[in-house]
Amino acid sequence: QVQLQESGPGLVKPSETLSLTCTVSGGSISSYYWSWIRQPPGKGLEWIGYIYYSGSTNYNPSLKSRVTISVDTSKNQFSLKLNSVTAADTAVYFCAASSIAAAGPFDYWGQGTLVTVSS
Amino acid sequence: EIVMTQSPATLSLSPGEGATLSCRASQSVSSNLAWYQQKPGQAPRLLIYGASTRATGIPARFSGSGSGTEFTLTISSLQSEDFAVYYCQQYNNWPGTFGQGTKLEIK
Repeated sequence: QVQLQESGPGLVKPSETLSLTCTVSGGSISSYYWSWIRQPPGKGLEWIGYIYYSGSTNYNPSLKSRVTISVDTSKNQFSLKLNSVTAADTAVYFCAASSIAAAGPFDYWGQGTLVTVSS
Repeated sequence: EIVMTQSPATLSLSPGEGATLSCRASQSVSSNLAWYQQKPGQAPRLLIYGASTRATGIPARFSGSGSGTEFTLTISSLQSEDFAVYYCQQYNNWPGTFGQGTKLEIK
């Protein structure tokens, strides 16, 4: 059973960089596509992007200019960086895994971590 | 990007009743459609993928149907634990997009 756990600061100042890490346990990082998905408070889900263990990535065009997703296979972790954040980036950020295709469906999810953008 | 539209926004039903949730895609997504259940404070849970295949451990009262642009999630006899928000998601085209959700509430 794959388990994912997000970690990182819960508060980020406007214009700074949001950085989160997802730690994977119970499964091989080479067996899935790894994604970040976010959910603003009280709103729906937005797929941010994915990475494969080889390092190949794809990002949502709406965020592409500000997003970097990387993987560290030695630590069984993958990470998200979102720069130049504004209040609109306040959301619960989930990491998720897909065994079928890069864009989904998402079999496994982390519990989510709330990131608030505020000075 | 493909826009996913779910209806109704809210569905009020009683335990034991059946529920039908709809999802429409702005263009064909073939059968690359998933359904998720989300309860307050929790991550979404995969229910259905490939439009009609139940994910591991999902009860048989959940079923999915459709292809192309029109999809349906049916819950045959609602249990108390089924009251939640349901999202559809297409993964046929980049980026994968979600519907806005249907809230299934107790009447």
